[in-house]
Amino acid sequence: AQTVTQSQPEMSVQEAETVTLSCTYDTSENNYYLFWYKQPPSRQMILVIRQEAYKQQNATENRFSVNFQKAAKSFSLKISDSQLGDTAMYFCAFMKHFPDSNYQLIWGAGTKLIIKP
Amino acid sequence: EAGVTQFPSHSVIEKGQTVTLRCDPISGHDNLYWYRRVMGKEIKFLLHFVKESKQDESGMPNNRFLAERTGGTYSTLKVQPAELEDSGVYFCASSQTTMFADRNEAFFGQGTRLTVV
Repeated sequence: AQTVTQSQPEMSVQEAETVTLSCTYDTSENNYYLFWYKQPPSRQMILVIRQEAYKQQNATENRFSVNFQKAAKSFSLKISDSQLGDTAMYFCAFMKHFPDSNYQLIWGAGTKLIIKP
Repeated sequence: EAGVTQFPSHSVIEKGQTVTLRCDPISGHDNLYWYRRVMGKEIKFLLHFVKESKQDESGMPNNRFLAERTGGTYSTLKVQPAELEDSGVYFCASSQTTMFADRNEAFFGQGTRLTVV
């Protein structure tokens, strides 16, 4: 069975700093997807970034980037130049790759990130 | 374009009562998913609809939970009778297709916080 572990329940940094959120996972699959979702205080879950396991290049989306280490089963999220609006719960999630995925995500417990002014 | 909407945003009920949660997916999205996060634990998959059919309901915890999606539009999740351990946040998500194309993703609602006292 797949598991996702986020070892940092809560983190806080000053605005404009860089912060890295850790995520490790366990799977015997070779093809899969990894995601970081963000849930701001308004509570709508938003997709931040995704990574296909077969792609060696780390995904980036503006100030958000990942460090994907497939052999180590590690998928950390780096937020550069952090902003107050980045304050949120961040969830790491895993999904097996199917030809016809049912989008059954396996989630980590979440990391509460607080950006201080 | 309207996103995924969930009603109510918060519900407090007594043990033994019935509660019905509603999810309106993005128009045109055939796939609808329910997840829940029990306090302090990971988000767990409950079930997946394709149009009005249940594609996968392997995550439903027991027969006190009943999900429907009549007509393939909005979905309801009924808990009857509610127990204390049902407290948590119930998320709904929708996606256009299960085929995992590059930019396909699931869009989440804000969640319904259910408190059973």
